[in-house]
Amino acid sequence: NAGVTQTPKFQVLKTGQSMTLQCAQDMNHEYMSWYRQDPGMGLRLIHYSVGAGITDQGEVPNGYNVSRSTTEDFPLRLLSAAPSQTSVYFCASRRDRGRNNEKLFFGSGTQLSVL
Amino acid sequence: AQTVTQSQPEMSVQEAETVTLSCTYDTSESDYYLFWYKQPPSRQMILVIRQEAYKQQNATENRFSVNFQKAAKSFSLKISDSQLGDAAMYFCAYRSYRGANSKLTFGKGITLSVRP
Repeated sequence: NAGVTQTPKFQVLKTGQSMTLQCAQDMNHEYMSWYRQDPGMGLRLIHYSVGAGITDQGEVPNGYNVSRSTTEDFPLRLLSAAPSQTSVYFCASRRDRGRNNEKLFFGSGTQLSVL
Repeated sequence: AQTVTQSQPEMSVQEAETVTLSCTYDTSESDYYLFWYKQPPSRQMILVIRQEAYKQQNATENRFSVNFQKAAKSFSLKISDSQLGDAAMYFCAYRSYRGANSKLTFGKGITLSVRP
């Protein structure tokens, strides 16, 4: 059971470049989300999805797009990278219904540097 | 909106001693979850312990226990018999009990070091 898989683990971009951070889960979780972690700021929610075809903004959505075409995948797109997007990004998922649906499963994170 | 506050950015404990990490939160809801997550240098987020607000009994997981004070909106984590492997960043987090889209709100974290 792979859980939540994020790729890549590390990425360096130049200002203005675009890229997609991949996230996949094999637990049939309805809820998926993206967080960014910055020193002294904790983890802040970027976007989330409660099912295929449904996405919504979190606390810090500007500069990021998401889509949810399947239950398994929830990619995060940076359309034009900026140095302020240098951060560690985490994808996380959980069940939406039934018992133990409060536990959030995290990927291993992506360290992104924008020069 | 719910907020989670961890006012101590860093703490240190002697190996085998006990340490308590503080967390307060602000909410108008009565049903919710509270969590403590551990993030070691590997960057992996590890769930340490969770508490459901309707339960009066404090959660425990081996050497980890919480002091949940609902009226005071306080949720501290106690680590007993501290070990070198406990050195990490610890995050307190809140989630509303209701709603498919209820999100996890994190505090800013506290860095715990363990002295041998």
